[in-house]
Amino acid sequence: AQKVTQAQTEISVVEKEDVTLDCVYETRDTTYYLFWYKQPPSGELVFLIRRNSFDEQNEISGRYSWNFQKSTSSFNFTITASQVVDSAVYFCALSEARAGGSYIPTFGRGTSLIVHP
Amino acid sequence: SQTIHQWPATLVQPVGSPLSLECTVEGTSNPNLYWYRQAAGRGLQLLFYSVGIGQISSEVPQNLSASRPQDRQFILSSKKLLLSDSGFYLCAWSVVAGSTDTQYFGPGTRLTVL
Repeated sequence: AQKVTQAQTEISVVEKEDVTLDCVYETRDTTYYLFWYKQPPSGELVFLIRRNSFDEQNEISGRYSWNFQKSTSSFNFTITASQVVDSAVYFCALSEARAGGSYIPTFGRGTSLIVHP
Repeated sequence: SQTIHQWPATLVQPVGSPLSLECTVEGTSNPNLYWYRQAAGRGLQLLFYSVGIGQISSEVPQNLSASRPQDRQFILSSKKLLLSDSGFYLCAWSVVAGSTDTQYFGPGTRLTVL
């Protein structure tokens, strides 16, 4: 069975600080996908990134970066020079192929990031 | 581009009343569709998913049901609401492309059962 652990329930930082959100996963499959979503106060989950298990290259998108390490089963998310608009709940998710061709992700419980001005 | 709509945005219903939440997707064909509930505490609970018209899979037994009368329409229903049905309901869609699949979420419906 797949499992995603986001051990940090809430993180509070001051604007311009760097912050890393941790995600640790468990899976028996060799092929799987990892995701990060952002849920701002409005409620809608916004897709940020998908990474497959065969691509361990780190990715950077503006102030966002992701560090995927299969050796530690982690897919951590770093925000550089945080801003107030980054305040949200961030979810990490893992999906494996299921019967019938559907992919049902398992979500972590989320990390609430609060960025103070 | 694809868009997903949910309505209503907010709903306050008395215990025992019926429920109908609607989700529609535009700009894609034959999507997989999903209903999630998010109660206080933030966790996302998958309620139902559908890989085609009339095909519904239930993940959690409860007094809710789902239907997919059209390719891009997904409806969440209940005959009699319970207090425990309160929460934030999110619809999502995805399209499997090769071996990949990514869910995209709608704006959600906030349901309060009194």
